[in-house]
This record gives sequence, C-alpha cells and structure tokens, in this order.
Amino acid sequence: KAGVTQTPRYLIKTRGQQVTLSCSPISGHRSVSWYQQTPGQGLQFLFEYFSETQRNKGNFPGRFSGRQFSNSRSEMNVSTLELGDSALYLCASSLDGRGHAEAFFGQGTRLTVV
Amino acid sequence: GENVEQHPSTLSVQEGDSAVIKCTYSDSASNYFPWYKQELGKRPQLIIDIRSNVGEKKDQRIAVTLNKTAKHFSLHITETQPEDSAVYFCAAVPNGNNRLAFGKGNQVVVIP
Repeated sequence: KAGVTQTPRYLIKTRGQQVTLSCSPISGHRSVSWYQQTPGQGLQFLFEYFSETQRNKGNFPGRFSGRQFSNSRSEMNVSTLELGDSALYLCASSLDGRGHAEAFFGQGTRLTVV
Repeated sequence: GENVEQHPSTLSVQEGDSAVIKCTYSDSASNYFPWYKQELGKRPQLIIDIRSNVGEKKDQRIAVTLNKTAKHFSLHITETQPEDSAVYFCAAVPNGNNRLAFGKGNQVVVIP
C-alpha cells in the first residue's frame, strides 16, 4: 500500500509569488490535514479536509488556503509569499474524520522563500 | 484550543538506559494521544498512541502512560539504542476531530 505522497519535495519561490503544494493520501483515507513545521514554532495545524469539505482551520492568515478533490487528493495554496512562510509543509492522511484513526505523514514539501 | 506542553526539550541518555518524555495537555475533551518520531530530514512517524479509555500501552521497548485526571501523558523508551536518537513529538486530539495539537518536540540523543 503506497504511503502519503507530497509533491514537489522542494520549492524555491520569491516573495510575493504564490505556490501550490499537492498531497495524495493513502488509498481509502478520506481525511487530509496540513501542518507547517518550523524550527521555532514546531508543528502547527493549518487545516483539515474531509470529503472535500474544510472541517477545521488553524490560526493562519487567509493567504493560506486549500481544497480537496473527490479522489481525496488535496492541494494547499499560499499566495503573496513572505519570507516567514519558509518551512516544511507536511500533510497527514487519516482513514476517517472523527479522530479515531491514526494520522500518517507524507515526506513534506520544503518551501524556501527568497 | 488545545495546548500541549512537552518537557524536557533535550534529553541525552547512555545507550541501554531509559528515556522518559512528559507532555501535558489543557483540553479535557482530548481523547487520543499519539507519539511521533522524526529523524533528521524525514517525515514524522507514528510510533505509539493511546486513547483515553486506557492508562498504559506497551510495544516492545516503548510504552506510553496516560493520567487523565492530571492531564499528562508520558513516553517511556527502555534499553535505548543509537537508532532511538531523534526528535519525539507528543500530540493531543480532541474528541471527534483530526486536528493534532503538537508539543514542541524533544531531541533525544543516545550516547553509545
């Protein structure tokens, strides 16, 4: 069974640009969550999607958005990039959306904003 | 929202000794507590978890204990080995939710 796949693995963008990251969950998993990991702040929750609906949202500005498709694949978009957006972005997939199932992480996308 | 505190931030142990990492949480509605291990440059990997209807769970050299009254849970690693060196994250998940609230992480260094 394939694990959680994130693309691309690495990205370098310029301030002001926008970026789209992709996450393919484990087959059969319907919940996808996104996290930002930085050395100073640790792992912070961005949002969760379940059955194409955003169920939870963390404390990030509106420049961070996402969506989920009918095949459970999810994308995350960051507009008007700032230097502080440089981070490892991780997605996690779970079987259901009720907090009963384990969350499995992808390898992440390393975003560098210059 | 849920707030998870993790202590200590760094822990060095001699190979073969035990390591204990403690976490506290604030939301009494949290009922699922996973632990993740993250090696340098790799993804966080789930190593053990515990649900609020259980006080202790073991898996080989790893165990987790939960005290719901005091709102704290701990990871215990016995007979540590060099490959146990990593950053360990605890997390708490409120009931009916997939939102993981993570602690800041604990760097464990096993000295051969």
